[in-house]
Amino acid sequence: DIQMTQSPSSLSASVGDRVTITCRASQDINNYLAWYQQKPGEVPKLLIYVAYNLQSGVPSRFSGSGSGTDFALTISSLQPEDVATYYCQKYDSVPFTFGPGTKVDIK
Amino acid sequence: EVQLVESGGGLAKPGESLKLSCVGSGFTFSTYSMNWVRQAPGKGLEWVSSISSGSTYIYYEDSVKGRFTISRDDAKNSLSLQMNSLRAEDTAIYYCARGFWGNRYNFDFWGQGALVTVSS
Repeated sequence: DIQMTQSPSSLSASVGDRVTITCRASQDINNYLAWYQQKPGEVPKLLIYVAYNLQSGVPSRFSGSGSGTDFALTISSLQPEDVATYYCQKYDSVPFTFGPGTKVDIK
Repeated sequence: EVQLVESGGGLAKPGESLKLSCVGSGFTFSTYSMNWVRQAPGKGLEWVSSISSGSTYIYYEDSVKGRFTISRDDAKNSLSLQMNSLRAEDTAIYYCARGFWGNRYNFDFWGQGALVTVSS
């Protein structure tokens, strides 16, 4: 099975900072990579699909990039409401594995 | 408005069975893949099972294969997960999630979740 890793596992940044989270697949996943945001006590929310497509209603400060095996989620200007755990997910083939998550909070 | 509402969670002893249900509304249920994703207390997300539109394709995560059965009833806009031979490690919140359009297996809407606790 393809393994998904994320780095860092957690980060603390200031409001307005540019934040980048990376996700790596152990094999090429043909850009079938999604990003989710899960705020404390809430259900996950889809942010990005097919590596870089912004889901409807998601603020434009979120962006996705990458291809093949290496991907990134960038928050261009961190806001207090962005405190959450972020997960990547591969969905090219079974199993539709999630990454371990990156916890983001405000410094 | 898309809504997904799970039911059927609860407490079970190891080896027992539980059945989760999810009812969808606000969209054409029959045309989307439907999925179960779980989250153990304080842990990350884990994909469990998926069923395509028309029930053509059914997939399971290895640890639940042979124990869990996913099914759908499009006439009732309903998704089910029959969970047999439950183990302590199955303890989690189970989310029903809609697959993205085109029978894709990323998930654009999620229910609030049903808590399953397996303990003696």
